[in-house]
Amino acid sequence: AIQVTQSPPSLSASVGDRVTFTCRASQDIGNDLAWYQQKPGKAPKLLIYSASTLQSGVPSRFSGSGSGTDFTLTITSLQPEDFATYYCLQDYDYPCAFGQGTKLE
Amino acid sequence: QVQLRESGPGLLKPSETLSLTCTVSGGSVNSNSYYWKWIRQPPGKRPEWIGYVHYSGKTNYNPSLKSRLTMSIDTSRNWFSLRLSSVTAADTAVYYCARASRIGTTCPLDYWGQGALVTVSS
Repeated sequence: AIQVTQSPPSLSASVGDRVTFTCRASQDIGNDLAWYQQKPGKAPKLLIYSASTLQSGVPSRFSGSGSGTDFTLTITSLQPEDFATYYCLQDYDYPCAFGQGTKLE
Repeated sequence: QVQLRESGPGLLKPSETLSLTCTVSGGSVNSNSYYWKWIRQPPGKRPEWIGYVHYSGKTNYNPSLKSRLTMSIDTSRNWFSLRLSSVTAADTAVYYCARASRIGTTCPLDYWGQGALVTVSS
């Protein structure tokens, strides 16, 4: 099964900062990777799919890049509502797998 | 606006069978464009992909759960369901249903239910 590893486990930042999250797959997954944001007690929310396509309604300060095994999610100019946990998910092959998450605090 | 809502018992005893239903409103499960998925998240841990059911009845399960898992879909009632047998404390989690839209080679989870906490305890 394909695994995905996120780094760092947590990230400390301030409003207005630019932050980058990293996700690495255990083998080539093309661009079949998505990013989700989860706030406490809520379901994950889709931000980016196909590695770099912004989901409808998601602010343009979110962007994704990468292909193959290495992927990044970048948030430019952090807003207060962006403090949450971020997960990547590979669906190149089943079983789909989530990374362990990066908590932005 | 598509909405999904999980329903089912919140407390089970070890060895019992977990049964959850996901009712879809604002859209139809009877479509080749979507897969209907279940994801669970143990307290404080990452989400875990459980599997999916397609309107055709095709299923795909996580191998770690496959021997205990059954998913089905009812296109007339617009819902899909999950059954997990012989539960243990390790199955305690928030269970989410979600819609995955087929886009090229990928299937992002674009709509989610609010989640249903299932606790397994004697």
